[in-house]
Amino acid sequence: KNEVEQSPQNLTAQEGEFITINCSYSVGISALHWLQQHPGGGIVSLFMLSSGKKKHGRLIATINIQEKHSSLHITASHPRDSAVYICAVRSFYDKIIFGKGTRLHILP
Amino acid sequence: EAQVTQNPRYLITVTGKKLTVTCSQNMNHEYMSWYRQDPGLGLRQIYYSMNVEVTDKGDVPEGYKVSRKEKRNFPLILESPSPNQTSLYFCASSAHAGFGTEAFFGQGTRLTVV
Repeated sequence: KNEVEQSPQNLTAQEGEFITINCSYSVGISALHWLQQHPGGGIVSLFMLSSGKKKHGRLIATINIQEKHSSLHITASHPRDSAVYICAVRSFYDKIIFGKGTRLHILP
Repeated sequence: EAQVTQNPRYLITVTGKKLTVTCSQNMNHEYMSWYRQDPGLGLRQIYYSMNVEVTDKGDVPEGYKVSRKEKRNFPLILESPSPNQTSLYFCASSAHAGFGTEAFFGQGTRLTVV
């Protein structure tokens, strides 16, 4: 079993829908990152969380340390949100563990 | 502008021909690392560096070398590339070890070894 599991693996939705991507992990962590990778390859950091909730524009990230779970929400989704979203955790030993990513496709 | 710069973006080479992928960051970050990304396997760490002259193996170091002679540069060296090293490579940096702060990634290098 992977130490970082993301769900769903693939998600197709209509423009305007509310999107939720989940990340569960089995190790103790000091931080969790959400990354975005657009077609063409570049990876961009969206959020770094150690507790609670962060919001940036239409993106919201939450983390529940007790339940070892984080969610990334996208409100009013748009085709330009189509990308792979990657969850990465920083373990207590400063090791980074990546999830395999969620491929999101927003249809116009 | 804060950035991590990788070169080249695309590279096709032949088996056994030594190559270097460069990585440079302009943020005075201590931590730099290299990853390869393969379908179905996600991102896997090759090597990382905590600071100048301090490097260590990640999860998949075989067939790769790195050096950190200056804080800003962290090149990845393939002494004798093989087809199983065909992959998409990323360099990343952060102010503190193991992405203890925001992580910055390069644009990626798509390597094909024939």
